[in-house]
Amino acid sequence: ETGVTQTPRHLVMGMTNKKSLKCEQHLGHNAMYWYKQSAKKPLELMFVYSLEERVENNSVPSRFSPECPNSSHLFLHLHTLQPEDSALYLCASSQTGASFYEQYFGPGTRLTVT
Amino acid sequence: AQKVTQAQTEISVVEKEDVTLDCVYETRDTTYYLFWYKQPPSGELVFLIRRNSFDEQNEISGRYSWNFQKSTSSFNFTITASQVVDSAVYFCALSEVIGNQFYFGTGTSLTVIP
Repeated sequence: ETGVTQTPRHLVMGMTNKKSLKCEQHLGHNAMYWYKQSAKKPLELMFVYSLEERVENNSVPSRFSPECPNSSHLFLHLHTLQPEDSALYLCASSQTGASFYEQYFGPGTRLTVT
Repeated sequence: AQKVTQAQTEISVVEKEDVTLDCVYETRDTTYYLFWYKQPPSGELVFLIRRNSFDEQNEISGRYSWNFQKSTSSFNFTITASQVVDSAVYFCALSEVIGNQFYFGTGTSLTVIP
């Protein structure tokens, strides 16, 4: 498999549930990213990992918890979410965390919080 | 204030028409990078082009062309002889070297009518 894959593609969860989103990149990249995409808003960068170290955390609520066990895998653990967290969550990777590299995106997980 | 502004929320054109998508950015950095991405209905953003702040040469790739003007802080994207497959949401993005920050615009939804 090539590129960036994300599972699941769709997720419906209640506010008291705990779930995880998974991202895997097959491009040999060293940096991975989580974005939130809500309607009519710019993509919001949530977390950046470079060489498995978190280098960016843009004031994301603690109910979102990232994990990067190796340079190919990235998780986003979710617990006690709010309805306003419903959005498309996109994972991306790039060659390194340097800003001039283009990012390659996965298809996203459409999350609905009920 | 938004770092990247895409004032056109939605555009519809008839097939074979030319269309220009506008992007205006704001930064104090002297070194920065600008990107365009395409998001088809399948969801994943597809990288189209990267320009660095020192290279104002316009670029053409097939039916796509980009006009970068530092004087007006704009990085516009033109599709010539549009096709139905061009229907997608297009995002302009800015990355700043200092602080390694990424900013996306809100996107322009392009519909090409057959």
